[in-house]
Amino acid sequence: EDQVTQSPEALRLQEGESSSLNCSYTVSGLRGLFWYRQDPGKGPEFLFTLYSAGEEKEKERLKATLTKKESFLHITAPKPEDSATYLCAVQADYGGSQGNLIFGKGTKLSVKP
Amino acid sequence: DGGITQSPKYLFRKEGQNVTLSCEQNLNHDAMYWYRQDPGQGLRLIYYSQIVNDFQKGDIAEGYSVSREKKESFPLTVTSAQKNPTAFYLCASSRNKDYEQYFGPGTRLTVT
Repeated sequence: EDQVTQSPEALRLQEGESSSLNCSYTVSGLRGLFWYRQDPGKGPEFLFTLYSAGEEKEKERLKATLTKKESFLHITAPKPEDSATYLCAVQADYGGSQGNLIFGKGTKLSVKP
Repeated sequence: DGGITQSPKYLFRKEGQNVTLSCEQNLNHDAMYWYRQDPGQGLRLIYYSQIVNDFQKGDIAEGYSVSREKKESFPLTVTSAQKNPTAFYLCASSRNKDYEQYFGPGTRLTVT
């Protein structure tokens, strides 16, 4: 069964304390892996798409990387405004549900000043 | 200003009533999606449409219905057959199924 697991469920950081969020997945064929940011009571905001192992994408203090079994979202010197829930989703490359995203439960990040 | 709009932001209904959630996009996207989000769970797909006048069931379609008569619009009806309708509903769209999805602001539905 296709599955996406994010860890940790919650992460508390001090401002400036760098860390990483993990997204591990089990799909036989990966078409793409997506990272989103979601603020409370709002819709997810698209951050990155990764397609193949070794690929990296960066945006401000965020960098996403991809291996054959997992993806990391690295947060460098975070600020309080980076506090949000970060969602990971994968798109499988086969089957009747081809193209549908499978979401993890998210990692809730809190950055204290 | 391109984007996805959902209305209303909050919706309250009595048990046994059908309710329709609106979703409109002006991104000229072909594909549109409806998800449900519950505390402690990942987003779950209700219905999706890859082209006008066509749509498919997602993982949790029971108790829901949709229509796609226009490219810009993909309304979702929550029927009285849906056993646990209280949730946060998110609409999304993408250029087609192979591209990233963009989400609307969501509608929080409460049924009592």
